[in-house]
Amino acid sequence: EIVMTQSPATLSVSPGERATLSCRASQSVSSNLAWYQQQPGQAPRLLMYGASSRAAGVPARFSGSGSGTEFTLTISSLQSEDLAVYYCQQYSYWPRTFGQGTKVEI
Amino acid sequence: EVQLLESGGGLVQPGGSLRLSCAASGFTFSSYAMSWVRQAPEKGLEWVSVIGTSGGTTYYADSVEGRFTISRDSSKNTLYLQMDSLRAEDTAIYYCTKGMTFFDFWGQGTLVTVSS
Repeated sequence: EIVMTQSPATLSVSPGERATLSCRASQSVSSNLAWYQQQPGQAPRLLMYGASSRAAGVPARFSGSGSGTEFTLTISSLQSEDLAVYYCQQYSYWPRTFGQGTKVEI
Repeated sequence: EVQLLESGGGLVQPGGSLRLSCAASGFTFSSYAMSWVRQAPEKGLEWVSVIGTSGGTTYYADSVEGRFTISRDSSKNTLYLQMDSLRAEDTAIYYCTKGMTFFDFWGQGTLVTVSS
């Protein structure tokens, strides 16, 4: 099973600042990596797929990069509505596996 | 607009059974694989199971293999998860999701509590 490790566990950022979230896979998953946002009390929402492609309706301040085992989600200018837990997920192998999440605090 | 509406959750004793349903609308249900993903209280996300478009292909997480059965009825645009031999560690919100690689739409989830 591919283990996905996210860092940091919690990230405190002021509005307007840049937030950088990391995700590492225990072996290469190529670019088969997705990011999700889960706001408090809500279901997760797809943000990125293919490591760097934004899902429909996702603001341009969200960007993704990386391939192989190292990936990054960047929020260029944090907004208050970005308060959430962010999860990465690989889809190169079965079972599909998620990271443990990074909580972004404003 | 894609909508996924789960139902069937509730309180069940250890060893019991539940059947979850997910009513899908807003897309051609028969053309897409569907998955279940769960989230234990205050925990992260865990993929549970996937079913292909025709229902002939299914995969399960090791933690539920042999106890859970995924199925679909494309005439009713509905996805199911039959859960047998339930354990306390199966307590979670169960989300119906569209897709088998990444999951582009999610329902609001249904809570399953396994407790005596």
